[in-house]
Amino acid sequence: GAVVSQHPSWVICKSGTSVKIECRSLDFQATTMFWYRQFPKQSLMLMATSNEGSKATYEQGVEKDKFLINHASLTLSTLTVTSAHPEDSSFYICSARDTGFEAQPQHFGDGTRLSIL
Amino acid sequence: GQNIDQPTEMTATEGAIVQINCTYQTSGFNGLFWYQQHAGEAPTFLSYNVLDGLEEKGRFSSFLSRSKGYSYLLLKELQMKDSASYLCAVTNSNYQLIWGAGTKLIIKP
Repeated sequence: GAVVSQHPSWVICKSGTSVKIECRSLDFQATTMFWYRQFPKQSLMLMATSNEGSKATYEQGVEKDKFLINHASLTLSTLTVTSAHPEDSSFYICSARDTGFEAQPQHFGDGTRLSIL
Repeated sequence: GQNIDQPTEMTATEGAIVQINCTYQTSGFNGLFWYQQHAGEAPTFLSYNVLDGLEEKGRFSSFLSRSKGYSYLLLKELQMKDSASYLCAVTNSNYQLIWGAGTKLIIKP
């Protein structure tokens, strides 16, 4: 089945640091990838939709200058949390959908647990 | 607006059967998904319904009624490892995936 790889799994860093998270589709091409955030015991919240070769679409309330998304190829999207602060600590999860199969399920990476000290 | 409703939490006994309901109101419909999410892990895909009826996959089955905007996930022969959150999600006419808040299923021995 479709595999999505997300790296790193865990990040612990100091306040003010920028953190980059990678999301790769391993056996399919993904024109569109999705970035989610989930706080403990809360629902999955879509942050942005990453589109290959164009600007990401951010959900309301998500700061595009703080959460930089780059989708430079059909198999890789990156999320950079710039100048991270403790309130950015969360579980970040990416997902991808096979190009041309918009009605098909999204496949998720294993997530990145970000802790800002 | 668009919304998906599912119970917040359910409790069931090991070996029993449980049905998790999901109702939705979306701008168009292009399919309904069920995902399982264990605590601290990413969601994993369980099932997909686009036509009315029942889709069976081992111990798990999913039902859809598009006219009623309704789906359920049926879990049979419950095992302790089935304790997780179950997420209902619908793809609307713009192929946006609208997520429910999830149902936390607690399995008791």
